[in-house]
Amino acid sequence: DQQVKQNSPSLSVQEGRISILNCDYTNSMFDYFLWYKKYPAEGPTFLISISSIKDKNEDGRFTVFLNKSAKHLSLHIVPSQPGDSAVYFCAASERSGGGADGLTFGKGTHLIIQP
Amino acid sequence: ETGVTQTPRHLVMGMTNKKSLKCEQHLGHNAMYWYKQSAKKPLELMFVYSLEERVENNSVPSRFSPECPNSSHLFLHLHTLQPEDSALYLCASSRRADEKLFFGSGTQLSVL
Repeated sequence: DQQVKQNSPSLSVQEGRISILNCDYTNSMFDYFLWYKKYPAEGPTFLISISSIKDKNEDGRFTVFLNKSAKHLSLHIVPSQPGDSAVYFCAASERSGGGADGLTFGKGTHLIIQP
Repeated sequence: ETGVTQTPRHLVMGMTNKKSLKCEQHLGHNAMYWYKQSAKKPLELMFVYSLEERVENNSVPSRFSPECPNSSHLFLHLHTLQPEDSALYLCASSRRADEKLFFGSGTQLSVL
């Protein structure tokens, strides 16, 4: 049973527009959420995170929104740039539980930025 | 460069071979991980080491054997693998077990 779901395997967005990547989770014990970005032949790199005590966190062009009641988070990238083309993974953990389980990842969404 | 180095980058092995994957982190982190990424599946946690002690083993078959001799090094010993074990194996580290992970570039493993 997948606890972190990214239901869109791919997303195509025009350069300069907003990219919105979505993620849903089922485990109500998750209290720390992260987004990772992965280029081909490289490991995932950390992008942005949010704790469950917040509903928004912003870092430059990247903003993550968390809706705890809906168990949903989203990553907004604005404006989208060609270098943003990559696979984006949503991840979650139970930090308050010690976090020894590591992170639980979604399957990823392949974002394609079109010129 | 994330500070986590994995070798080899690519590995092809037969089902009767024994091989080892190596991971080294230069970040002073206390937790290290092995993840597996198969095609069209999420990243799957295999093993977690915190302060050199294994704290998690997600029902991984015994043909995968981890070793963490010190806080900077992590190995994954492979023995009599199956073709379905072909995947990208990623090592990661974090300052503590509940903090964000830094990943290596992975080892792309093909089992023939």
